[in-house]
Amino acid sequence: AQSVTQLGSHVSVSEGALVLLRCNYSSSVPPYLFWYVQYPNQGLQLLLKYTSAATLVKGINGFEAEFKKSETSFHLTKPSAHMSDAAEYFCAVRSIGPGGGADGLTFGKGTHLIIQP
Amino acid sequence: DGGITQSPKYLFRKEGQNVTLSCEQNLNHDAMYWYRQDPGQGLRLIYYSQIVNDFQKGDIAEGYSVSREKKESFPLTVTSAQKNPTAFYLCASSPRGRVIPQPQHFGDGTRLSIL
Repeated sequence: AQSVTQLGSHVSVSEGALVLLRCNYSSSVPPYLFWYVQYPNQGLQLLLKYTSAATLVKGINGFEAEFKKSETSFHLTKPSAHMSDAAEYFCAVRSIGPGGGADGLTFGKGTHLIIQP
Repeated sequence: DGGITQSPKYLFRKEGQNVTLSCEQNLNHDAMYWYRQDPGQGLRLIYYSQIVNDFQKGDIAEGYSVSREKKESFPLTVTSAQKNPTAFYLCASSPRGRVIPQPQHFGDGTRLSIL
């Protein structure tokens, strides 16, 4: 079974400060991991993905994430927060469908990022 | 531009009424998904379809039904059996990933409320 735990339902940082959003996963198969961002009343937008290539993954809007197998983590970071980064962030891990196909995702409960001026 | 269109954006349901949420994609994706989002709950999978004329129950399928008659369309019906339907509903699609899962592309959602 696969699961995702996002530590902290709300994270608050000052504008210009480091952003760190935590994600730990559990997977019975080699994990493939994703980060998505959601702005109010909108759908989810892909930030970045890890698919067993480089462990440090760069995404859009200056975000990056590092896959650490020993820690079963895939934390999302950004060196300098901007007001426009305020949103909900979701970590997801691949799940296995009934036919064994790898075409599903299991999402964490999300972290609401607040940017203080 | 390719994308996913969900309609309507807002929907109201009366007690005992079935309502259908529309989802259309022009990305030529094989797989489509329906999620329910409640505050603090993240996304929970309702149904998904990997191919036309086939679909599978997700984690919270009770009180919902779907059809997949066309590749582009995956409508979701919220039936009267769903006792707590108020939520934000998101439709997604992706290429079918047999070994490596593909990123899912999302629509902008439909917010369903009870009158």
